[in-house]
Amino acid sequence: EPEVTQTPSHQVTQMGQEVILRCVPISNHLYFYWYRQILGQKVEFLVSFYNNEISEKSEIFDDQFSVERPDGSNFTLKIRSTKLEDSAMYFCAGSDAKSSYEQYFGPGTRLTVT
Amino acid sequence: AQSVAQPEDQVNVAEGNPLTVKCTYSVSGNPYLFWYVQYPNRGLQFLLKYITGDNLVKGSYGFEAEFNKSQTSFHLKKPSALVSDSALYFCAVRDIGPSGTYKYIFGTGTRLKVLA
Repeated sequence: EPEVTQTPSHQVTQMGQEVILRCVPISNHLYFYWYRQILGQKVEFLVSFYNNEISEKSEIFDDQFSVERPDGSNFTLKIRSTKLEDSAMYFCAGSDAKSSYEQYFGPGTRLTVT
Repeated sequence: AQSVAQPEDQVNVAEGNPLTVKCTYSVSGNPYLFWYVQYPNRGLQFLLKYITGDNLVKGSYGFEAEFNKSQTSFHLKKPSALVSDSALYFCAVRDIGPSGTYKYIFGTGTRLKVLA
């Protein structure tokens, strides 16, 4: 069964550094998402992406964040200058149609900002 | 705005006993409701969904959920719990954004502990 994969599984970085979190969605998926989960808190929507552009972004997704799909397979989340409060688990997800009811999630990348 | 609430941070149940993990929702329009499970070091795995139709929805791993419109609830149930069911369970509602794309609004999660 196809799966969403994410790398790295754990990223430790210093405050102010740039990080790129990578995701490989399921091949026939067209809609892509990033969510994050701060430790002990709920999973929160960050951004949705379709047809090489952002469809919607949350208040969390400020100018420090960006997404792209550089090569038609990878889907990346970049944080330009990390802050301590960016420490969280970041989940990539995908769905195969706009009306699809199910999103398929990756295993997550744990980002630790020191 | 759409929202879901999971009133219990943790639920403990003995193996073999029935389990219930509670979720209530607040939506405008028809609710599209989901349950996901998160095992340690794993992503969110889809369990089941309610879109329309029968109020009792059957899903993966023997789980089911009962949609109750009058009580605005969507509780997750299983007749006989297994130790391997111990995990973090999230209720979610689908929300539609201004561009017409969808996202999930998640509850805070309930940790289920099944005791042998």
